[in-house]
Amino acid sequence: DTEVTQTPKHLVMGMTNKKSLKCEQHMGHRAMYWYKQKAKKPPELMFVYSYEKLSINESVPSRFSPECPNSSLLNLHLHALQPEDSALYLCASSQVTSGRNEQFFGPGTRLTVL
Amino acid sequence: AQKITQTQPGMFVQEKEAVTLDCTYDTSDPSYGLFWYKQPSSGEMIFLIYQGSYDQQNATEGRYSLNFQKARKSANLVISASQLGDSAMYFCAMRAIVGGTSYGKLTFGQGTILTVHP
Repeated sequence: DTEVTQTPKHLVMGMTNKKSLKCEQHMGHRAMYWYKQKAKKPPELMFVYSYEKLSINESVPSRFSPECPNSSLLNLHLHALQPEDSALYLCASSQVTSGRNEQFFGPGTRLTVL
Repeated sequence: AQKITQTQPGMFVQEKEAVTLDCTYDTSDPSYGLFWYKQPSSGEMIFLIYQGSYDQQNATEGRYSLNFQKARKSANLVISASQLGDSAMYFCAMRAIVGGTSYGKLTFGQGTILTVHP
């Protein structure tokens, strides 16, 4: 299984809502990532988890709250978002051993904040 | 700090022809990896090819090859025999390799939109 799955595919939420994005992989990868991507721009790293511990937070606003309950699952909890947070949110995973450790990406969640 | 530059916002190629997508990079890390990803309009990022900074040979993966010129700090992607399905955004990216550990933040270029004409 070389797949990263993300749910939901699309999400529309109001600025007062609380929602969560979910990401799952069964490749035995011990690093998992959240990226935010605006249209026609490169992905921007938000968070990195390594062995279920947060290792990188790219100064992301606290209205985004990541969680890694186990080695296969990564969540992104959303609260009080702004319209400018509308974007494609990509999850990725990779090995952490030596070697190329390419990141495998999921299909993304297209988020619209009204 | 690392920087990736992709100077071609858009490229056009005829089906079955070869095309080269340019990528130059800048880094102070002595050891690093270079990646190319493809992103179709559906949104998923697809890994294409990898080149390690100490690899002696240029990487190849099927129709994809990487023209790595370390002295010039360039890592151009060559797609041979283009297909209509190759139409997509292509990103060049790099990551430092520190102490044998090579996971973590990827630095991406701005991307090149490739359009393949029939």
